[in-house]
Amino acid sequence: DAGVTQSPTHLIKTRGQQVTLRCSPISGHKSVSWYQQVLGQGPQFIFQYYEKEERGRGNFPDRFSARQFPNYSSELNVNALLLGDSALYLCASSPGGQGPQETQYFGPGTRLLVL
Amino acid sequence: AQSVTQLGSHVSVSEGALVLLRCNYSSSVPPYLFWYVQYPNQGLQLLLKYTSAATLVKGINGFEAEFKKSETSFHLTKPSAHMSDAAEYFCAVSDNAGNMLTFGGGTRLMVKP
Repeated sequence: DAGVTQSPTHLIKTRGQQVTLRCSPISGHKSVSWYQQVLGQGPQFIFQYYEKEERGRGNFPDRFSARQFPNYSSELNVNALLLGDSALYLCASSPGGQGPQETQYFGPGTRLLVL
Repeated sequence: AQSVTQLGSHVSVSEGALVLLRCNYSSSVPPYLFWYVQYPNQGLQLLLKYTSAATLVKGINGFEAEFKKSETSFHLTKPSAHMSDAAEYFCAVSDNAGNMLTFGGGTRLMVKP
């Protein structure tokens, strides 16, 4: 079975631009979460979507937004890019609805560089 | 708020030696704890998780972790390190609703031949 897929794998943008990152969950999974991993640090939670509704939001500015589609894929959008947005963006999928013991399965990430 | 702290950002062991990676948690409720591994230029892979069914949890690749409530710890161990174990290891705790994972800062494991 295919795991979580993300596109693109790498991206270079300049300050002030906008970027859209895409994620396809494992087949049958209804929940998608997004994390930001700055170099040398642990991942930080950005959003979780379940059945197309936002279930959780981390401490990120409104420049960050996301959505989930009927096929459970998801997009993360970042506006007005700053140098500090340079990071590895990880998408994770999970079955959904199983509570705190539910395992999240991570994709390979999209590496974003903002110049 | 729940949190985890990983002591030691870098750990170096010799091949065949014991691996011990430390994780302490802070939680006002019984926690759900996870260990993930990240190889270079890859995403995170689940090693094991604690869900209160048993305090000693066995995971993949010979790793295991013991939940100790009295010490608020969930340290990761492996009896004998292999070169292929060299990677970054992250401890994480889930919130009560299962909406988010909070990760520690990570420990980079280096294995010397």
